[in-house]
Amino acid sequence: QSALTQPASVSGSPGQSITISCTGTSSDVGSYNLVSWYQQNPGKAPKLMIYEGSKRPSGVSNRFSGSKSGNTASLTISGLQAEDEADYYCCSYAGSNTFVVFGGGTKLTVL
Amino acid sequence: EVQLVESGGDLVQPGGSLRLSCAASGFTVTSNCMGWVRQAPGMGLQWVSVLCSDGKTYSADSVEGRFSISRDDSKNTVHLQMNSLRTEDTAMYYCARVWANTAMVNPWGQGTLVTVSS
Repeated sequence: QSALTQPASVSGSPGQSITISCTGTSSDVGSYNLVSWYQQNPGKAPKLMIYEGSKRPSGVSNRFSGSKSGNTASLTISGLQAEDEADYYCCSYAGSNTFVVFGGGTKLTVL
Repeated sequence: EVQLVESGGDLVQPGGSLRLSCAASGFTVTSNCMGWVRQAPGMGLQWVSVLCSDGKTYSADSVEGRFSISRDDSKNTVHLQMNSLRTEDTAMYYCARVWANTAMVNPWGQGTLVTVSS
């Protein structure tokens, strides 16, 4: 069982916006603004999309944005495109004893 | 170019051992934390082991006492020694750099497949 909870699947039509939630506890997401998000296409390694909650690495589209409220972090993809269809994982710092934890992953389907 | 290349994945019988390697280029493995993440077929990502620059290690409960992470500074390489392998250890194993101050994971290697089966 993953330490962070994500919905198993979300879907949206091209051009729409979707949000993927990542719920943790006061020991991880709630205590640190150190959530990152990863996109994984079939047969490929994960790719960093968001770090430190809301920062985008160079080369990542500004259609991807991150936020946090309490113990829940969120990834929002606006202007949904077919190429966004993939699995998405959140990851959070969880203190000096555990270090980092993943969410269970969310499958995004573009209808 | 910053890059990680894993090797060592193979088919091994239950109870056997395997050593995975991860060669880094474009940065030094001692500059931050290095970790192994695995993904069983059709499943999500799971942290296996992490080794930080101060020597501190973190391991998943499921591999504690069976797997160990180490690094060879002279070869800029990180290793994962896996002993007493079980069928449930079957997975793609990814090597990745973990930034200690931000907990972001980047870059990732392409992965190496470990299959534990008789």
